[in-house]
Amino acid sequence: GQNIDQPTEMTATEGAIVQINCTYQTSGFNGLFWYQQHAGEAPTFLSYNVLDGLEEKGRFSSFLSRSKGYSYLLLKELQMKDSASYLCAGGYGGATNKLIFGTGTLLAVQP
Amino acid sequence: ETGVTQTPRHLVMGMTNKKSLKCEQHLGHNAMYWYKQSAKKPLELMFVYNFKEQTENNSVPSRFSPECPNSSHLFLHLHTLQPEDSALYLCASSPTGRINPEAFFGQGTRLTVV
Repeated sequence: GQNIDQPTEMTATEGAIVQINCTYQTSGFNGLFWYQQHAGEAPTFLSYNVLDGLEEKGRFSSFLSRSKGYSYLLLKELQMKDSASYLCAGGYGGATNKLIFGTGTLLAVQP
Repeated sequence: ETGVTQTPRHLVMGMTNKKSLKCEQHLGHNAMYWYKQSAKKPLELMFVYNFKEQTENNSVPSRFSPECPNSSHLFLHLHTLQPEDSALYLCASSPTGRINPEAFFGQGTRLTVV
């Protein structure tokens, strides 16, 4: 299988930094996606990592270690609007790149 | 607005009904997907279509029947569903190939089976 594991819930304070971890099965793995999903809305793309290392995109950064089957999403300068579910997904297979999702991490940002 | 449109947004159906969910994208993508999202569970991949051909059926019961007439449209035909099939059904599309394979999701159809 391609089990994707991430914490179910996290809480952080406005203005702080939070790191959401994700582990995945490495067999057949192409790359790692992070999506954000607000309640009642569609998931929206945040990042895609193929190579090892950190990719920074504004307040959000994503890290990948292929050898360890590990990724994290780093959110800086947290804002209330960042309260959402963050979905880790592994891309597997051939050209179609089948996405297998974790349960999502529900992040609550408190004042 | 992601470029992927799903209709209807909400659907209530009885267990003996037949209904269809529709998904449409004009992003030029050649891969389309159906996912099921239930409370407290991961997004479950149901079907994958690549250039109109089904390439993945994730052991989905036959009461769910997908149809992909062209690369822009995807349907999910529903019949004799069970209450446990109540969930959010999400459609997604992505380009084929591994460069920028970002999947774009529709807003979903909230299905309730009574």
